[in-house]
Amino acid sequence: DGGITQSPKYLFRKEGQNVTLSCEQNLNHDAMYWYRQDPGQGLRLIYYSQIVNDFQKGDIAEGYSVSREKKESFPLTVTSAQKNPTAFYLCASSRQGGGYEQYFGPGTRLTVT
Amino acid sequence: QKEVEQNSGPLSVPEGAIASLNCTYSDRGSQSFFWYRQYSGKSPELIMSIYSNGDKEDGRFTAQLNKASQYVSLLIRDSQPSDSATYLCAVNKRDDKIIFGKGTRLHILP
Repeated sequence: DGGITQSPKYLFRKEGQNVTLSCEQNLNHDAMYWYRQDPGQGLRLIYYSQIVNDFQKGDIAEGYSVSREKKESFPLTVTSAQKNPTAFYLCASSRQGGGYEQYFGPGTRLTVT
Repeated sequence: QKEVEQNSGPLSVPEGAIASLNCTYSDRGSQSFFWYRQYSGKSPELIMSIYSNGDKEDGRFTAQLNKASQYVSLLIRDSQPSDSATYLCAVNKRDDKIIFGKGTRLHILP
């Protein structure tokens, strides 16, 4: 089955700890994205990558970091510098950047206390 | 003006009726338009893409695009309780990023 997987589904951390969210896709897509969704808010772009070993900041990159060492994988680290990390994190991929459909993974709900 | 604007709802529609969801966008150079459905607590699921002016039908769903008016809509015919969800409109910008609206909550009344 082709698709996007994210793990874990739920994640709980103490304030001050870094945490890494996993995203893997087997759709052979070039582009991958990380979004954050808060209640009542739209999807906000954190980082995106159109090709291996390259990525760009989105609209709310502060306090986050990413890597893209493999085409299939795009992990997101939420650092202790992120002021309000509790949110629903969504990973997506598309054939290329821009005008192509994005397909989403199931999401990771992160709670930081 | 917001880049992608949707009425937040909730939009209540009787079962079996047509649900009409609307979206406006600000970037006149946009070329790709998408509708996603998101159930509570779940991730968005792509239901329609449209690239040309006019209507595109897929089963009970019809997407309508009017680039001159910068307007895209989604019609759901024969609405079912399982259609109750939040519908996100997404539009690509000239810099090739996709911008999502905040979504319209649709409630189908049994």
